[in-house]
Amino acid sequence: DAGVTQSPTHLIKTRGQHVTLRCSPISGHKSVSWYQQVLGQGPQFIFQYYEKEERGRGNFPDRFSARQFPNYSSELNVNALLLGDSALYLCASSPYRGGQAGYTFGSGTRLTVV
Amino acid sequence: SQQGEEDPQALSIQEGENATMNCSYKTSINNLQWYRQNSGRGLVHLILIRSNEREKHSGRLRVTLDTSKKSSSLLITASRAADTASYFCATDSSGGYQKVTFGTGTKLQVIP
Repeated sequence: DAGVTQSPTHLIKTRGQHVTLRCSPISGHKSVSWYQQVLGQGPQFIFQYYEKEERGRGNFPDRFSARQFPNYSSELNVNALLLGDSALYLCASSPYRGGQAGYTFGSGTRLTVV
Repeated sequence: SQQGEEDPQALSIQEGENATMNCSYKTSINNLQWYRQNSGRGLVHLILIRSNEREKHSGRLRVTLDTSKKSSSLLITASRAADTASYFCATDSSGGYQKVTFGTGTKLQVIP
């Protein structure tokens, strides 16, 4: 079985642009969460989607948005990119709404904003 | 904000030695999880310990949890060069949805 897949693996954008990151969870997993990891820090929770509805949101500005599709894949959108948005963006999937089973992470998308 | 803090921030040991990492957190939790991250890529789930458990083993890994002190430790026995990575604790304190909060990480280097 395929693990959590994220695309693209690397991305370079210019300040002010928009970016869309994609994630496909493990087959059968209905929960997808997004994390931002700035170099040298731990991942920061951005969003959780379960059964196509937003179930949790971290402390990120409205420039960040996400959605989950009927096949449970997900997109993270970031508008008006800032240099500080440069980070590794991680997607995690889980079969559950809550965190009782741990999460499977993708390899991430490394976003560089110049 | 980071819920947990790992200690030490960096650890360098010889192959075959044991490595111990500690994690402290601030709020009550449902469970605590440990993850490994190689070279800034995806995180790998190592072990989960529930709030009503005190100790858990998985292969060369031993995790303890002290909810009264809001702390946990991860012991890797007989370390190998392949264990070189960053290790993060993550606390799940959600009330029915996922909100996992990661610590700052311990960077472990195992010298062959």
